[in-house]
Amino acid sequence: GENVEQHPSTLSVQEGDSAVIKCTYSDSASNYFPWYKQELGKRPQLIIDIRSNVGEKKDQRIAVTLNKTAKHFSLHITETQPEDSAVYFCSSRSAGNKLTFGGGTRVLVKP
Amino acid sequence: DAGVIQSPRHEVTEMGQEVTLRCKPISGHNSLFWYRQTMMRGLELLIYFNNNVPIDDSGMPEDRFSAKMPNASFSTLKIQPSEPRDSAVYFCASSAGDGQPQHFGDGTRLSIL
Repeated sequence: GENVEQHPSTLSVQEGDSAVIKCTYSDSASNYFPWYKQELGKRPQLIIDIRSNVGEKKDQRIAVTLNKTAKHFSLHITETQPEDSAVYFCSSRSAGNKLTFGGGTRVLVKP
Repeated sequence: DAGVIQSPRHEVTEMGQEVTLRCKPISGHNSLFWYRQTMMRGLELLIYFNNNVPIDDSGMPEDRFSAKMPNASFSTLKIQPSEPRDSAVYFCASSAGDGQPQHFGDGTRLSIL
């Protein structure tokens, strides 16, 4: 089955700096890669996604990149703000409609 | 849109008791997912349904767990008998189809004493 690895597990950045989270996947048939943000005690919320026919996608301060050859995808948050502090999960869709999630990255933005 | 609705939000019960978690997906969504989240194991898919039919239940831990979806607007996840190691947050999610974004409910925080 699909295996998704996510790094780092924790990330501390100064407000205004950039944050980068990296994920790898194992199934070359995977074709959809959503990212979720989960604040403490809340539900995971979709923040951005990318499909395998696109190499990069941007939405305001958030961007995702996908390298299908290397089976890598990354989340970039620019100009970080305290409200960006949360746990971020990458995921990939392989067979059927099943998502496999990475282990999560706890991001702390220090004011 | 009300989003995915789960009940109860919190459940505390003694081991051995039956636990039933409920989920109402977003209207019009034909896929429904049950996840379990713990610190140790992260976010795990337990089972998912397409058009009310179970498609993949390989994540269901053991026979004590069962899930049903009698119609397009309702699903249950049942644990019988419950054990302390079942303590976790259980999320339900729904999507409009294959490869479409999954939207999560607020979860049920389950504590088995």
